[in-house]
Amino acid sequence: AQKVTQAQTEISVVEKEDVTLDCVYETRDTTYYLFWYKQPPSGELVFLIRRNSFDEQNEISGRYSWNFQKSTSSFNFTITASQVVDSAVYFCALSEAWGANNLFFGTGTRLTVIP
Amino acid sequence: EAGVTQFPSHSVIEKGQTVTLRCDPISGHDNLYWYRRVMGKEIKFLLHFVKESKQDESGMPNNRFLAERTGGTYSTLKVQPAELEDSGVYFCASSHGRGGREQFFGPGTRLTVL
Repeated sequence: AQKVTQAQTEISVVEKEDVTLDCVYETRDTTYYLFWYKQPPSGELVFLIRRNSFDEQNEISGRYSWNFQKSTSSFNFTITASQVVDSAVYFCALSEAWGANNLFFGTGTRLTVIP
Repeated sequence: EAGVTQFPSHSVIEKGQTVTLRCDPISGHDNLYWYRRVMGKEIKFLLHFVKESKQDESGMPNNRFLAERTGGTYSTLKVQPAELEDSGVYFCASSHGRGGREQFFGPGTRLTVL
C-alpha cells in the first residue's frame, strides 16, 4: 500500500532563513511519481513539482530545490532564503504509474515565515 | 484558460440534510478526481472519472455519497443524508491523460455539518 509521511506538522522560520520540508514515502511499486503541492491561504492546491521514480536527479527551480533519494524513500523540499509569501501548507504526494493515478497525500506541513 | 472551479466555496448544513457539490474541470480534461480532507488529516482520494465513467470509487466512504459526471463535463458529489463526520474540505482535480500527469486542483468546498 502507498503511504506518505510528513512528520513536521508546523515549521516557523524567520524571513531569509533556509527551510527543509521532509517527506518519506512507502510503496511496493517500482514505477511511481512523487509530487509537491503548495496550499496558500486562498485554499487551492498549487502544483510545484513532479518526479518519476527513475529520475533521482535533484532539481532546482529558483529558491526551491528537491532532493529525491530512493535509498531512504525520501523526497525532501528545501526553500532557500524564505520569504513571507512562502507561508502556506505544503503537501507531498505519491501516485502509481498505472491504474487510476490518484494521489496519496501526506498530512501536510504548515510553514510560517516570520518577517 | 480557466482553472478548476468548485461551487459552493462553503456550505453549512445540519445533520440529515442533503448537499450537492459541483466541480467544473479544465476544459478538455478527461480525468476528474474527488478528494476530501478531514481537519488535520491527509487529503484522501474519493473517486476518479474518465469522461463520464467511474474508473475507481474505492475511496468513497459509504453509500451516502453519490458522484456523477453526466456528459463527461462537470461533476457533482451529493451527500445524502449528511453526517457530522462528513465535515471537511472537498477538492476536485482534473488532468489531461494519466501516467502520473499533473493534477490541477480547485479551491475546494468547505463543508460543515452541524
